Amino acid sequence: DVKVTQSSRYLVKRTGEKVFLECVQDMDHENMFWYRQDPGLGLRLIYFSYDVKMKEKGDIPEGYSVSREKKERFSLILESASTNQTSMYLCASSLTGSTPPLHFGNGTRLTVT
Amino acid sequence: AQSVTQLDSQVPVFEEAPVELRCNYSSSVSVYLFWYVQYPNQGLQLLLKYLSGSTLVKGINGFEAEFNKSQTSFHLRKPSVHISDTAEYFCAVLGGTYKYIFGTGTRLKVLA
Repeated sequence: DVKVTQSSRYLVKRTGEKVFLECVQDMDHENMFWYRQDPGLGLRLIYFSYDVKMKEKGDIPEGYSVSREKKERFSLILESASTNQTSMYLCASSLTGSTPPLHFGNGTRLTVT
Repeated sequence: AQSVTQLDSQVPVFEEAPVELRCNYSSSVSVYLFWYVQYPNQGLQLLLKYLSGSTLVKGINGFEAEFNKSQTSFHLRKPSVHISDTAEYFCAVLGGTYKYIFGTGTRLKVLA
């Protein structure tokens, strides 16, 4: 089974802090994704990566950046956290871009105060 | 542009009753279709997927879904629900490389 591990289940940060969310997958998947989940809005794609050091913006990239230095690890960075970034963040991976399905981690619930 | 519509935000149903969660999509290309389930404070778990072949797809936990191309629907069904099926369910499509589109979710509440 594919295992996608997010380093934190819950995080509380202050406004203006730099925040790192980490995600690791163990199946040598090419593609990794970061989604944000908010009630009534479903899942919205922030960024995805189709190879090491390669990244593409999703639908809501503003206020976020990502890093993929190794194939198994994909980090989401909030350069200066704001209260409107309080949300559930979900990491996912897939074998290739056209090879479903997505495999999800357990999520990180981030609260920015 | 592709989109996914889950018409019901919440569905209450009594235990052992049947349930149908509705999903409609729009896409100008061939799609792959998925249903995911999310239990409280967890990530999304794949219930079932349609990639090609038979339009009736069986998944885990007794769920099934039917792909209807003419009606652009992919409704999820279970003939008899349990309390443990209480969760949020998401329909999703993959209409091109990388581009997964999710619906806004349906909260299934199973009542004793």
